[in-house]
Amino acid sequence: SQTIHQWPATLVQPVGSPLSLECTVEGTSNPNLYWYRQAAGRGLQLLFYSVGIGQISSEVPQNLSASRPQDRQFILSSKKLLLSDSGFYLCAWSAGTGRLNGELFFGSGTQLSVL
Amino acid sequence: EDKVVQSPLSLVVHEGDTVTLNCSYEVTNFRSLLWYKQEKKAPTFLFMLTSSGIEKKSGRLSSILDKKELFSILNITATQTGDSAVYLCAPLKGGSNYKLTFGKGTLLTVNP
Repeated sequence: SQTIHQWPATLVQPVGSPLSLECTVEGTSNPNLYWYRQAAGRGLQLLFYSVGIGQISSEVPQNLSASRPQDRQFILSSKKLLLSDSGFYLCAWSAGTGRLNGELFFGSGTQLSVL
Repeated sequence: EDKVVQSPLSLVVHEGDTVTLNCSYEVTNFRSLLWYKQEKKAPTFLFMLTSSGIEKKSGRLSSILDKKELFSILNITATQTGDSAVYLCAPLKGGSNYKLTFGKGTLLTVNP
């Protein structure tokens, strides 16, 4: 069966510090991978998605970047965090384009507080 | 620009009540609409609706899609305290990448 791991669960970082959140998927190959952010009282905002190794699409301009160094690994990074980067970050995967199923499977999320 | 509007934003009911949650959408290249339940952390999948007028049911939950009027509803009958959560709707765009655009959600609180 497929599983998705996301860590850390909670992170408190000072403004200007770097960020690295990691997400890995097991039990499937060539998944589509996604990073979402959820601010308090808001819906999920898509930040990045990837359909393959090294292929990253950014949905909104921002202070963050994403990378996919391996098929089932997705990393969210920042060189210098801003206060506005605080929020709940969710990694998700879906079956690759060969299958007609849009269902997303989410990791357990990272609560990031930038102080 | 894609738009997803959920109403109400929050709702407080008593156990045993029936609730109806609404989702209207405007997205290009619409493919289907998904409903998720988010209790604390990760949203969990409830339904995927692709065809108009066909009700999907899972226990006390049911949902239906109207592709002509661009909306969907999620019904919960005989609510329980365990139904308390944020309910998110998300239209799925077609194409090669299956992007979901989420609404802000409806916060449902079921009191005993």
